[in-house]
Amino acid sequence: GAVVSQHPSRVICKSGTSVKIECRSLDFQATTMFWYRQFPKQSLMLMATSNEGSKATYEQGVEKDKFLINHASLTLSTLTVTSAHPEDSSFYICSATRINEKLFFGSGTQLSVL
Amino acid sequence: SQELEQSPQSLIVQEGKNLTINCTSSKTLYGLYWYKQKYGEGLIFLMMLQKGGEEKSHEKITAKLDEKKQQSSLHITASQPSHAGIYLCGAVISINSWGKLQFGAGTQVVVTP
Repeated sequence: GAVVSQHPSRVICKSGTSVKIECRSLDFQATTMFWYRQFPKQSLMLMATSNEGSKATYEQGVEKDKFLINHASLTLSTLTVTSAHPEDSSFYICSATRINEKLFFGSGTQLSVL
Repeated sequence: SQELEQSPQSLIVQEGKNLTINCTSSKTLYGLYWYKQKYGEGLIFLMMLQKGGEEKSHEKITAKLDEKKQQSSLHITASQPSHAGIYLCGAVISINSWGKLQFGAGTQVVVTP
């Protein structure tokens, strides 16, 4: 069964609104989670590393004020797309790893901004 | 930065035939993951390779990481319709963080009757 749960799977929002995506590790504690983004017909790109209890680390070119990451507990990381615009429409997917184990991915969130 | 080249971009294989996908890195790989994805859906974990020369198999899928740890291959034996999808290789880009992956562009696999 799934070890990383992501919600919602699909969201449609109006331009200018904010959207929150949740990523939960099931049955294990994940001190670190990762957020990726995938545009149509492209591969996944790492956006940021979410660290429990501390600030997220963003990859070059990713706006930290636009993509707010909160890792409030050992099993939950959230990604909030603030003031979303059509160019933010994408597939967002999170991942988590147990120590020295394989990396598990959530089922992803398809965001469409109108 | 590390470049990860995946080939072929796409391939069509007849059911029952074998296929191979390659993933070549411009730098030494600390580790490499193989996933399968249907576009717009989550990733299905296939294999994780860590050591040079390592080879793992699961059902009809075999993955290898070459000795010099700069290339990996994924081989499917006697392909079935269920093997259709997009295959992604992901390279571990930080030895201190196994969750930070750089992905290849993907290989679209189509299995025909």
